[in-house]
Amino acid sequence: AAGVIQSPRHLIKEKRETATLKCYPIPRHDTVYWYQQGPGQDPQFLISFYEKMQSDKGSIPDRFSAQQFSDYHSELNMSSLELGDSALYFCASSLVGGLGSGANVLTFGAGSRLTVL
Amino acid sequence: GEDVEQSLFLSVREGDSSVINCTYTDSSSTYLYWYKQEPGAGLQLLTYIFSNMDMKQDQRLTVLLNKKDKHLSLRIADTQTGDSAIYFCAGNHGSGNTGKLIFGQGTTLQVKP
Repeated sequence: AAGVIQSPRHLIKEKRETATLKCYPIPRHDTVYWYQQGPGQDPQFLISFYEKMQSDKGSIPDRFSAQQFSDYHSELNMSSLELGDSALYFCASSLVGGLGSGANVLTFGAGSRLTVL
Repeated sequence: GEDVEQSLFLSVREGDSSVINCTYTDSSSTYLYWYKQEPGAGLQLLTYIFSNMDMKQDQRLTVLLNKKDKHLSLRIADTQTGDSAIYFCAGNHGSGNTGKLIFGQGTTLQVKP
């Protein structure tokens, strides 16, 4: 079965540079989520999109932006990178439309590891 | 806001049962989830429980929920070396079934042969 695809898997950048991470959700999933996991930390919710519209926002820095495109893939753009941005960035997707009161089961990608030097 | 706490480390012998505990503060979470993360890998959903249930069993996994005490546990029967990983409990933020999850710090399970 198709999973959530993230690219690149590894990325090394210098401070103050810009990075873009891409996420391809499971086909027919209508919602995409971005999470950040620092070294030895738990994942922190950044932002989500439902049907290409931002649906929820968490602790996402102003230097970061994201969008979901017409083909449902999503990109996370990070500018003016700081050392503290070094983390594993997860994308997840789920099918929310028609969910009702059922569990919203997120499927996570393998993550993109960003290292800022 | 929601706070989820877990013990950080658990070591068991192969074949024993493992019990990973979690406490949470936000009783409005509709569902509570258990995820497994192997080194350098993504988060794999193991199981979840609806907040109105008190137990759910799925093969070797048993989830117990004490809503009064806001305590969640994951029991793994006949623990294998392949179960060595970090286990996260998570609740959805607020009511409903939003995918905005609040994770605990993770419990590292070490299984000794």
